[in-house]
Amino acid sequence: DAKTTQPTSMDCAEGRAANLPCNHSTISGNEYVYWYRQIHSQGPQYIIHGLKNNETNEMASLIITEDRKSSTLILPHATLRDTAVYYCIVRQYNNNDMRFGAGTRLTVKP
Amino acid sequence: EPEVTQTPSHQVTQMGQEVILRCVPISNHLYFYWYRQILGQKVEFLVSFYNNEISEKSEIFDDQFSVERPDGSNFTLKIRSTKLEDSAMYFCASSDYSAPFFGPGTRLTVL
Repeated sequence: DAKTTQPTSMDCAEGRAANLPCNHSTISGNEYVYWYRQIHSQGPQYIIHGLKNNETNEMASLIITEDRKSSTLILPHATLRDTAVYYCIVRQYNNNDMRFGAGTRLTVKP
Repeated sequence: EPEVTQTPSHQVTQMGQEVILRCVPISNHLYFYWYRQILGQKVEFLVSFYNNEISEKSEIFDDQFSVERPDGSNFTLKIRSTKLEDSAMYFCASSDYSAPFFGPGTRLTVL
């Protein structure tokens, strides 16, 4: 099962930053943190991943604490189209499966 | 941008019938996966496939399921004798050595 803990739901105002937390206190040294999202019943969409350094791409930023026991996904300027379920997943880099938990349902409001 | 494609988008079948769900992974990817999502529930891992064999499977992936890479581009999931509880979205994914990319899914409805 998923080795992460996320809030069940969050709201965010359109145009503001959405900060989605994730706890992964049992993460091991060779495990990465991955973030995906799922809009309605579409296929999960890859967002970003990282090991220990903070990462940024065109979609989001990933902030990982120094002890690696938690992380935060940041959507800098949330839009209505960012309304989705966001999944934080911990796994080894080239492990053969990605195990999804319940995720956080983010609702971006006008 | 390359993407995973799946056909059909929606499959309706009678209980006890066999179905084959098809996927075209991203061309240079080496790992292939099937997941399913029953309506209102979480995305569940079924199986992963590498080097022409199953590399890992979940407890859900029992003898009624099989996977195949019949040629250099397609990856299929066969459900031999469908049950009502097989009704779900089925997602194919592929990856190189990093994050899997998912297809849009096939909605399977078993009547």
